[in-house]
Amino acid sequence: HLQLQESGPGLVKPSETLFLTCTVAGGSLNSDNHYWGWIRQTPGKGLEWLGSISYSGDIYHKPSLKSRVTISVDTSKNQFFLGLNSVTAADTAVYYCAKSFGGSFDYWGQGTLVTVSS
Amino acid sequence: EIVLTQSPATLSLSPGQRATLSCRASESVSHYLAWYQQKPGQAPRLLIYDASNRATGIPARFSGSGSGTDFTLTISSLEPEDFAVYYCQQRSNLLTFGQGTRLDIK
Repeated sequence: HLQLQESGPGLVKPSETLFLTCTVAGGSLNSDNHYWGWIRQTPGKGLEWLGSISYSGDIYHKPSLKSRVTISVDTSKNQFFLGLNSVTAADTAVYYCAKSFGGSFDYWGQGTLVTVSS
Repeated sequence: EIVLTQSPATLSLSPGQRATLSCRASESVSHYLAWYQQKPGQAPRLLIYDASNRATGIPARFSGSGSGTDFTLTISSLEPEDFAVYYCQQRSNLLTFGQGTRLDIK
């Protein structure tokens, strides 16, 4: 049974970089058919896809965030990562990692709240 | 960016009733549309993918239909556990989500 778990700081200062890790258990990141994604949720903007990555490093980003988002993968650790730079209060959200099944997300982490505040 | 508009924003029904939720895309997404259910404090749960395919373990009372720009999620007879927020999501051109429909107990 596949499980995903987000980890990282719950509080980030404005203008700094948010960095989150998603650890995958019960399955392998190494799959030709799957991408691994990051989605966030805010009360104001609902669910927002940030980007997805394959095990080989092919990446798709939300265009409006592309300059701020970095997504990477470490297959040896069965982990993938999200970096978001120059954060503001608008980046305060629950961040989810998820497995993409042909562009739909069939397995999700529990989510982690990240607050941007000084 | 493809915009998905869900209606109604809130739907109030009673257990046993039929629920019909709508999702309209700003341009054609073919059949590349999914539906999710989200309960408070939980991650979204995939219900339907590619417009009409139920995900693993999803009860038969959930069904999806539509293509192009207009899609529907139908819950044939509401169970108490079905009261939640429902989101649509397209994968035709990158990925975007609708703003959600809240299904409340009447």
